[in-house]
Amino acid sequence: GAVVSQHPSRVICKSGTSVKIECRSLDFQATTMFWYRQFPKQSLMLMATSNEGSKATYEQGVEKDKFLINHASLTLSTLTVTSAHPEDSSFYICSAVGTSASTSYEQYFGPGTRLTVT
Amino acid sequence: RKEVEQDPGPFNVPEGATVAFNCTYSNSASQSFFWYRQDCRKEPKLLMSVYSSGNEDGRFTAQLNRASQYISLLIRDSKLSDSATYLCVVNLGGSQGNLIFGKGTKLSVKP
Repeated sequence: GAVVSQHPSRVICKSGTSVKIECRSLDFQATTMFWYRQFPKQSLMLMATSNEGSKATYEQGVEKDKFLINHASLTLSTLTVTSAHPEDSSFYICSAVGTSASTSYEQYFGPGTRLTVT
Repeated sequence: RKEVEQDPGPFNVPEGATVAFNCTYSNSASQSFFWYRQDCRKEPKLLMSVYSSGNEDGRFTAQLNRASQYISLLIRDSKLSDSATYLCVVNLGGSQGNLIFGKGTKLSVKP
C-alpha cells in the first residue's frame, strides 16, 4: 500500500522558535497533500490543503503567516510553525492523495508529529 | 450543530461481544462516508468505506441511511485488538480534502 512518512515524529521546542515538519509520499506521487491538527480528545481538523507548485489553501481561522506550507515536489510538503507558542502544542498529521488508479485516489495519512512548545 | 456527531464512549465490552457505533452528519450534500480507526497517539487508518447498500468486511459491517443522515458500524466477535477509537468521516465532495472527522468513539475490549 501507499506509504506516507513524517519527520520528525516528536519535537520539543522553546516558545518563539520555528519548527519544520516534513511530509513525504514514499512510493507514489501526490499532487495534493493535507495538513491536519488534533488536540487531545478532539477531532482532526483540516488546517490547509497543499498543492504542488502553487500556494496552499488555508482553512478559516488558520494563520497562513504562522503556518508556512511549501509543496516543492510531488513527494514532499513541509509545514513550518513560526514563532511557536505553547498553544501550538498539538499532534500534526499530514495526508497525501494518490494520483493514479493504483492508489485509488485515497487519502493516506502520515504517522503524525507531536509538537510540544515549552 | 456539529457536522459529524458520535457518542464518545467509552464502550467497554468483553471479547466476543457484538458492538455497534452510530454517527450522524449534518450536511445533506455529503457525498461519501468512511469509518477510520485511530489507535492512541497514532494516525487514523481507513477501516472501510460506507455505501448506501451497506457493506461488510469480515467482522465489520457498515450501513448508511441518507434519509436520516445516519451511519453505523457493527463489530461482531470483538477481539482485544479491536480496542481503538473509531472515527466517523464524511467527505463533502469536491476536492479529496473535504474530509470532516467526528471526534470518535472509544472502544475497549476486555478479556
